Amino acid sequence: SQTIHQWPATLVQPVGSPLSLECTVEGTSNPNLYWYRQAAGRGLQLLFYSVGIGQISSEVPQNLSASRPQDRQFILSSKKLLLSDSGFYLCAWSAPTAFNEKLFFGSGTQLSVL
Amino acid sequence: GESVGLHLPTLSVQEGDNSIINCAYSNSASDYFIWYKQESGKGPQFIIDIRSNMDKRQGQRVTVLLNKTVKHLSLQIAATQPGDSAVYFCAENEPGNTPLVFGKGTRLSVIA
Repeated sequence: SQTIHQWPATLVQPVGSPLSLECTVEGTSNPNLYWYRQAAGRGLQLLFYSVGIGQISSEVPQNLSASRPQDRQFILSSKKLLLSDSGFYLCAWSAPTAFNEKLFFGSGTQLSVL
Repeated sequence: GESVGLHLPTLSVQEGDNSIINCAYSNSASDYFIWYKQESGKGPQFIIDIRSNMDKRQGQRVTVLLNKTVKHLSLQIAATQPGDSAVYFCAENEPGNTPLVFGKGTRLSVIA
């Protein structure tokens, strides 16, 4: 069966510090991978998605970047965090077909930038 | 761009009653719709999905209804339980090679 791992679960970082969140998927090949951000009490904002190694699509221009160094690994990064980067970050995967398939989400990372 | 919206941001339901969570979508060409449940501090969990060639689909205690004429999607939960308390999101897949578009979410509170 497929599983998705996302870490860390919580993170407190000072403004201006770098960020690296990692997500890995097991049990499937060539999945579509996604990073979402969720502000407190709000909806899901798509940040990045990837349909293959090295292929990254950015939905919202901002202080973050994503990379996919391996087939089932998706990394969210920032060189210098802003206060506005605080939020709940979710990684997700879907089958390697068209986008009209269900997403499977990780457990999320609660990021607080102070 | 076009997006999925919700009629009710919050919903309080008595335990044992049925719940209906509504969602309006604006893109008449969308062909896939899905509902997620998100408990506090956790990732969204898949509940049920439906494609545009259907107007109803049932799961365990849940039913999704799709009305393409008025571009409306609903999630019905039978015999609502305290464990159903969560935020519910609908999402649609617009035509073209783009990811799902999520609505803003409805918070369901079950009153014991």
